[in-house]
Amino acid sequence: DGGITQSPKYLFRKEGQNVTLSCEQNLNHDAMYWYRQDPGQGLRLIYYSQIVNDFQKGDIAEGYSVSREKKESFPLTVTSAQKNPTAFYLCASSISAGGKTQYFGPGTRLLVL
Amino acid sequence: DQQVKQNSPSLSVQEGRISILNCDYTNSMFDYFLWYKKYPAEGPTFLISISSIKDKNEDGRFTVFLNKSAKHLSLHIVPSQPGDSAVYFCAAILRGDMRFGAGTRLTVKP
Repeated sequence: DGGITQSPKYLFRKEGQNVTLSCEQNLNHDAMYWYRQDPGQGLRLIYYSQIVNDFQKGDIAEGYSVSREKKESFPLTVTSAQKNPTAFYLCASSISAGGKTQYFGPGTRLLVL
Repeated sequence: DQQVKQNSPSLSVQEGRISILNCDYTNSMFDYFLWYKKYPAEGPTFLISISSIKDKNEDGRFTVFLNKSAKHLSLHIVPSQPGDSAVYFCAAILRGDMRFGAGTRLTVKP
């Protein structure tokens, strides 16, 4: 079964803590993306990666970091520098950077304690 | 700078009737448009798309219309079913960069 998995489904962060959201895909897609969704807003791009060992900042990269050491994995770290981390985080992938259709994971809801 | 706008945050229709969801964009260079459907606490799922060289694409109950002169995109669902109740996002692509609208919540009443 091909698809994108994200874990955990819910994540709680304490003040000053870094947390890492997992994203794995077995679609053999080259490109992967992280979006943030806030109520009443569309999806906003945090980071994207066109290929292994390469990634680029999106529109709202401040306070986040990523890595792409393996094709199938694109973890997102929400650092303590991100002052408003409470949101729904979505990971997506496409066959290539120019791929027209992105396929999304089920999302992770991050809450601050 | 919101390049893709969905001005109606919600829409309610009766089962069996037509649902029309609208989307406007500002950048005439967008070359591909998509609609995604999203249920609560789930990721968006791809619904239908259209290239900028076309003005209509149909897939079963779903039809997307593109009016490039007006920079307007619409999704028609006929007939609407209760299972169609979800948030619908339109998206536009330019050189691989995808921009999303804020979404419209569709409620189909039995």
